[in-house]
Amino acid sequence: EAGVAQSPRYKIIEKRQSVAFWCNPISGHATLYWYQQILGQGPKLLIQFQNNGVVDDSQLPKDRFSAERLKGVDSTLKIQPAKLEDSAVYLCASSLIGSGNTIYFGEGSWLTVV
Amino acid sequence: AQSVTQPDIHITVSEGASLELRCNYSYGATPYLFWYVQSPGQGLQLLLKYFSGDTLVQGIKGFEAEFKRSQSSFNLRKPSVHWSDAAEYFCAVGDSGYALNFGKGTSLLVTP
Repeated sequence: EAGVAQSPRYKIIEKRQSVAFWCNPISGHATLYWYQQILGQGPKLLIQFQNNGVVDDSQLPKDRFSAERLKGVDSTLKIQPAKLEDSAVYLCASSLIGSGNTIYFGEGSWLTVV
Repeated sequence: AQSVTQPDIHITVSEGASLELRCNYSYGATPYLFWYVQSPGQGLQLLLKYFSGDTLVQGIKGFEAEFKRSQSSFNLRKPSVHWSDAAEYFCAVGDSGYALNFGKGTSLLVTP
């Protein structure tokens, strides 16, 4: 079974530039998550989708971050304009509804803002 | 609100020695508890999970964890550590239908 796919794996941009990350969840998983993991810290939820609706985006910095999940499958996370403190790993994850919340993670997209 | 505390930032053990990583949670009801491992440059891999039932949970790679409601703890254990176990370990708490809250992680170093 294919896992959660993410791209690009690595990205270096200058501050004030924009960047977009793509995620393809495990087939059949209705719930999709984006987490931000800053070096030395645990992952922090940015946004949770169920199908193509937003369940929780309370920790998403909406002035610069946006995310969408069209057709309830793939998702894109965008940052515009980027700040130095956005340097982190962006982890996409997915789960089945009613699975007891077992979440499966992708390998992450590593962002460095210089 | 749910929260997780991992009191140890770094732990060093000798190869072959036993391991215990501590995790304390804060949650009003019976939580869903997880341990994930993250190797350098990799995503998070699920080691084990507790939803209900037997409080001693077996996971992959020889790991186990015990849920103790009276102590609000879910400590991870392994009887004999291998060099390949060196990684970052994260405890997480969740609720059905909602995302997980992670601790800050414990970095495990294994010495020869």
